[in-house]
Amino acid sequence: GDSVTQMEGPVTLSEEAFLTINCTYTATGYPSLFWYVQYPGEGLQLLLKATKADDKGSNKGFEATYRKETTSFHLEKGSVQVSDSAVYFCALTGGFKTIFGAGTRLFVKA
Amino acid sequence: DAMVIQNPRYQVTQFGKPVTLSCSQTLNHNVMYWYQQKSSQAPKLLFHYYDKDFNNEADTPDNFQSRRPNTSFCFLDIRSPGLGDAAMYLCATSRTQAQRGNSNEQFFGPGTRLTVL
Repeated sequence: GDSVTQMEGPVTLSEEAFLTINCTYTATGYPSLFWYVQYPGEGLQLLLKATKADDKGSNKGFEATYRKETTSFHLEKGSVQVSDSAVYFCALTGGFKTIFGAGTRLFVKA
Repeated sequence: DAMVIQNPRYQVTQFGKPVTLSCSQTLNHNVMYWYQQKSSQAPKLLFHYYDKDFNNEADTPDNFQSRRPNTSFCFLDIRSPGLGDAAMYLCATSRTQAQRGNSNEQFFGPGTRLTVL
């Protein structure tokens, strides 16, 4: 069945460092791909999405490119801030269901 | 602003005492979902409604039930909560069901944290 694998956390970075959180997927057909963010004590919020191969989703300085050849959707940000500290979930939609990865916790130190 | 609202934000119940969590939405979306999220884990889908059609996940315990009296409201009933049911419960909505090729963004409420004593 469909699945999502993302890098284990926690990831700890200093402010203004470069961020990469890896995400790979297994799916038949052409799923839509998402990154959701969850701040402490809150629900998930959509961060960005891509619906077809080579699409790049971007929002708030975060980017991810839908790579069909490597079945990946890695999240990147050039310069993280303390306020980016949260849990990030990679997800795919296909087959009438959304599949979430296990989440990666990010800590950003001032 | 259009949104997904969950009440209460924090709920404490006793072992075996029925509890109901509520969710409402002003987005007028067709689909409403209930997820269970335990600490440091991904949300786990319990069930969803597409309009009035109820779709239960195969591994959702019978202890969990749901009602959707109208488009705006959806309830999660836990008939006999056990200690293992302590978790964050997330309600979400989407305009349509997830289908291949369909960008099916989900909108989440803030969650209800359930404690079982």
